Amino acid sequence: GESVGLHLPTLSVQEGDNSIINCAYSNSASDYFIWYKQESGKGPQFIIDIRSNMDKRQGQRVTVLLNKTVKHLSLQIAATQPGDSAVYFCAENAAGNKLTFGGGTRVLVKP
Amino acid sequence: SQTIHQWPATLVQPVGSPLSLECTVEGTSNPNLYWYRQAAGRGLQLLFYSVGIGQISSEVPQNLSASRPQDRQFILSSKKLLLSDSGFYLCAWSAQGGYGYTFGSGTRLTVV
Repeated sequence: GESVGLHLPTLSVQEGDNSIINCAYSNSASDYFIWYKQESGKGPQFIIDIRSNMDKRQGQRVTVLLNKTVKHLSLQIAATQPGDSAVYFCAENAAGNKLTFGGGTRVLVKP
Repeated sequence: SQTIHQWPATLVQPVGSPLSLECTVEGTSNPNLYWYRQAAGRGLQLLFYSVGIGQISSEVPQNLSASRPQDRQFILSSKKLLLSDSGFYLCAWSAQGGYGYTFGSGTRLTVV
């Protein structure tokens, strides 16, 4: 079936630098995408979302970019902080209200 | 505001024992409810979802079952646990017609 995948399973970034997490999706019918952050032992937390009629959306220190031509989604974190260390999941909604999640990328922030 | 409660937080159960994990949502009506499992260091696997009382859809064949006896209550069960049932179980809800999920805090299940 269609799925969402990630290019980089682990990303190490220096504190203060910007982070970019990438995600490829294969279902061209997907119309909604979300990024979640999951800290160890906790449930995923919503970070930011974007609908397919947009190509960019900004939040506090985070930006999501959507490129529908190549079915690519990215999450940019500005001025990465130690508290940003976590696993990040992208997810897409293509059918009804069921999200399909990617495999996750672990972000490690080095002091 | 809406909140989701999931318990217990951790559980150690012997092989062959039964399981019951409970999830409740407050502050909303007629939510979509979901059970996910996450193996250590892995992604999220959808196990069951429900769009209403008594309506359960299973995504993967397994040793588990789900029930929704009340609008805002979702229960994950097993009659006999297997070692392979160990994992981190997450409940989530979404609004009818909405897209985003809100997750509970999860239950760490270890089958020994």
